[in-house]
Amino acid sequence: DAKTTQPTSMDCAEGRAANLPCNHSTISGNEYVYWYRQIHSQGPQYIIHGLKNNETNEMASLIITEDRKSSTLILPHATLRDTAVYYCIVRVAGSGGGADGLTFGKGTHLIIQP
Amino acid sequence: DVKVTQSSRYLVKRTGEKVFLECVQDMDHENMFWYRQDPGLGLRLIYFSYDVKMKEKGDIPEGYSVSREKKERFSLILESASTNQTSMYLCASSSYILAKETQYFGPGTRLLVL
Repeated sequence: DAKTTQPTSMDCAEGRAANLPCNHSTISGNEYVYWYRQIHSQGPQYIIHGLKNNETNEMASLIITEDRKSSTLILPHATLRDTAVYYCIVRVAGSGGGADGLTFGKGTHLIIQP
Repeated sequence: DVKVTQSSRYLVKRTGEKVFLECVQDMDHENMFWYRQDPGLGLRLIYFSYDVKMKEKGDIPEGYSVSREKKERFSLILESASTNQTSMYLCASSSYILAKETQYFGPGTRLLVL
């Protein structure tokens, strides 16, 4: 899964939009972009995923470039509770049978400043 | 909201003890997973189950076994705990409909083996 590049860390002011970039230049046509986050000492949390269209849910928006080589996760109004490590992964959705666990890279440590 | 619960947040056991970690999900998901997470090694899949009584080995099954007698419950068993099994253990579930990659995690169990 580690076919993505993310900045090691980012700061964002509370109340502002947090924009987290991810490069996935070798993404293939049937691979989705998934975002998870992990708050310290908690389990990972699914945020959003997309194939080529932009997606939005109650947590975040996902903007995928037209060539699909990069994407941006947007938290529209960041709060202190959004401080976490954010992981971007690319996967073929529903990838067949068998054990196929998620693997995260190092992710981006997002720190929301009061 | 999907809820995945794990029986303990923290557990301390002695070498050689048999350890049971329980996971319950309330969303009628078919797939359930057990991972361990260690600093520098990331998330590693131990076992996966895609149906009641069905299981498949993940990347690091040695020293572990699992049980899935009911759809909502997936247990991880350490037959004879060793110090190198000190870790954070994470359970996750997903449904066929949303694809295996959209996984919902429990809060984790931090196990210390002395």
